[in-house]
Amino acid sequence: QQQVKQSPQSLIVQKGGIPIINCAYENTAFDYFPWYQQFPGKGPALLIAIRPDVSEKKEGRFTISFNKSAKQFSLHIMDSQPGDSATYFCAARSGTDKLIFGTGTRLQVFP
Amino acid sequence: GAVVSQHPSRVICKSGTSVKIECRSLDFQATTMFWYRQFPKQSLMLMATSNEGSKATYEQGVEKDKFLINHASLTLSTLTVTSAHPEDSSFYICSALVAGGYNEQFFGPGTRLTVL
Repeated sequence: QQQVKQSPQSLIVQKGGIPIINCAYENTAFDYFPWYQQFPGKGPALLIAIRPDVSEKKEGRFTISFNKSAKQFSLHIMDSQPGDSATYFCAARSGTDKLIFGTGTRLQVFP
Repeated sequence: GAVVSQHPSRVICKSGTSVKIECRSLDFQATTMFWYRQFPKQSLMLMATSNEGSKATYEQGVEKDKFLINHASLTLSTLTVTSAHPEDSSFYICSALVAGGYNEQFFGPGTRLTVL
């Protein structure tokens, strides 16, 4: 119930491609869904977050799509660049409870 | 976004010694901070939730006597790994909650602990 399932585990795209990372959850009490980007040896950085009252949120080249009925949300990276190569984590939370993290997706963007 | 710092960024110590890691919120006050550990190529594992002025709440399986957490002020939380052993070697990351709005959580840069 508390799990957040993330896929794929790894992803390789060419520069300019649109990688999509998917997450699914079971707990309908979750009301906050952030995405974090982590470079090797660094802490995660908050990229973008969404609440379940909207179906899409865009910030720069990053877009979250949210499907409440399917209990799924995804991250799309437009016009991906080699500098986007990192590990991406989705997460979910209910109220001010602890964040539940997905298992991470390692993205590699080749020039 | 809000800035969270950690010190030290890297520490190497001998087995049996204690190591203290500091986590500071630089431009905001944080009543709640979190401590995570992360093994290579794995997700973040929450160790404990630290609330200013009260005892930390530890996750199941985390030894509270081994990982001492103190949140003495609204901008500082510390994690002390007592009597460290090689299996405690890991990447320790703190985060702080920014109250209000989305109650966003911002992470520090992490501390790499190596116990010889």
